[in-house]
Amino acid sequence: GNSVTQMEGPVTLSEEAFLTINCTYTATGYPSLFWYVQYPGEGLQLLLKATKADDKGSNKGFEATYRKETTSFHLEKGSVQVSDSAVYFCALRISSNTGKLIFGQGTTLQVKP
Amino acid sequence: DGGITQSPKYLFRKEGQNVTLSCEQNLNHDAMYWYRQDPGQGLRLIYYSQIVNDFQKGDIAEGYSVSREKKESFPLTVTSAQKNPTAFYLCASSPGTSGETQYFGPGTRLLVL
Repeated sequence: GNSVTQMEGPVTLSEEAFLTINCTYTATGYPSLFWYVQYPGEGLQLLLKATKADDKGSNKGFEATYRKETTSFHLEKGSVQVSDSAVYFCALRISSNTGKLIFGQGTTLQVKP
Repeated sequence: DGGITQSPKYLFRKEGQNVTLSCEQNLNHDAMYWYRQDPGQGLRLIYYSQIVNDFQKGDIAEGYSVSREKKESFPLTVTSAQKNPTAFYLCASSPGTSGETQYFGPGTRLLVL
């Protein structure tokens, strides 16, 4: 079946450190891939997306590249800030007429000053 | 401002009681979705609607019901048949279902007394 696996959290970093949050997926067909961010007590916000292999999504200093050969969509940022502390969700959507998103379990990022 | 609103922010349910969570959007989106989020887990799809007066079950529809009488509104009722209703409920919408990004509301936290 279709699924998304993220690295276990929490991830704790010092400010200005390099961030990687791993995400791998299993899917039939050709999914679109997403990263969403959730700040405490809030809903999800779209961070970035990629719709086909080798696409790179980027936003607010975050990047992720759609790697079909390794079925991965790892999230990276060169220098994290305290304000980046949140829960990050990787998700996929199979090309279909439902628009259904399949989410990973989320990874908590804590950035310390 | 365009967006998705959910109310209330917190909701308490007594045993055997039905409660209804509100979701309204003024984005003129055709598709709307309800997700459930449990601690340490990703989001799971409860119901979705692609057009007014039509909706489909998601992965965990048992114990829930919805209606879509208006394009901008997609209320979710948590019935007494849902034995473990305590969770964070998120509503989302998208322009359509064939590839567009989903946008999320701020969520409603449901607690059982």
